[in-house]
Amino acid sequence: DGGITQSPKYLFRKEGQNVTLSCEQNLNHDAMYWYRQDPGQGLRLIYYSQIVNDFQKGDIAEGYSVSREKKESFPLTVTSAQKNPTAFYLCASEDRGKPDTQYFGPGTRLTVL
Amino acid sequence: RKEVEQDPGPFNVPEGATVAFNCTYSNSASQSFFWYRQDCRKEPKLLMSVYSSGNEDGRFTAQLNRASQYISLLIRDSKLSDSATYLCVVNINTNAGKSTFGDGTTLTVKP
Repeated sequence: DGGITQSPKYLFRKEGQNVTLSCEQNLNHDAMYWYRQDPGQGLRLIYYSQIVNDFQKGDIAEGYSVSREKKESFPLTVTSAQKNPTAFYLCASEDRGKPDTQYFGPGTRLTVL
Repeated sequence: RKEVEQDPGPFNVPEGATVAFNCTYSNSASQSFFWYRQDCRKEPKLLMSVYSSGNEDGRFTAQLNRASQYISLLIRDSKLSDSATYLCVVNINTNAGKSTFGDGTTLTVKP
């Protein structure tokens, strides 16, 4: 089945540690996105990538980093510089031939202890 | 002022009721509009796109008013399974990275 996977579903980390969230898609989509969602709020864009080896900062990129070495994969690293990292992280992809419709992974819920 | 604003609710309605949600956007250059549904602790899923002419999908009707810069979602004959948070999404253009999400409106349908 085609789709987007994110792992792990739940992640706990100690303050001061970096952590990497996985996002993989087999939909052959060029564009991929990372969002953050806090309770009772909408999604805020962290980073996005329209093509392999290229990515752009979104609205809240500080304290995060990404890479896009393969079309299928867009991992997000939450660094110790992110002051309030506890949140629900959602990865999405989009078919540039059918723009605007984003497909989301199931999300990773990160808790910093 | 937020770029995309929604009434957070919650909307508590009985089964069979008709309920409407509104969403306003501030950027007049916005080009495309969507409603997503998000169940508790799950990812958002596209419910429907919103076209200038309005569009209907079963019990759901979406409308766009460009002059007043708002979109709406009407749900008729509400079902228990409609309980969710409904997110309004506005795109400035078709380039990647330009989607702006509202904070969502929570609907609870009760028996």
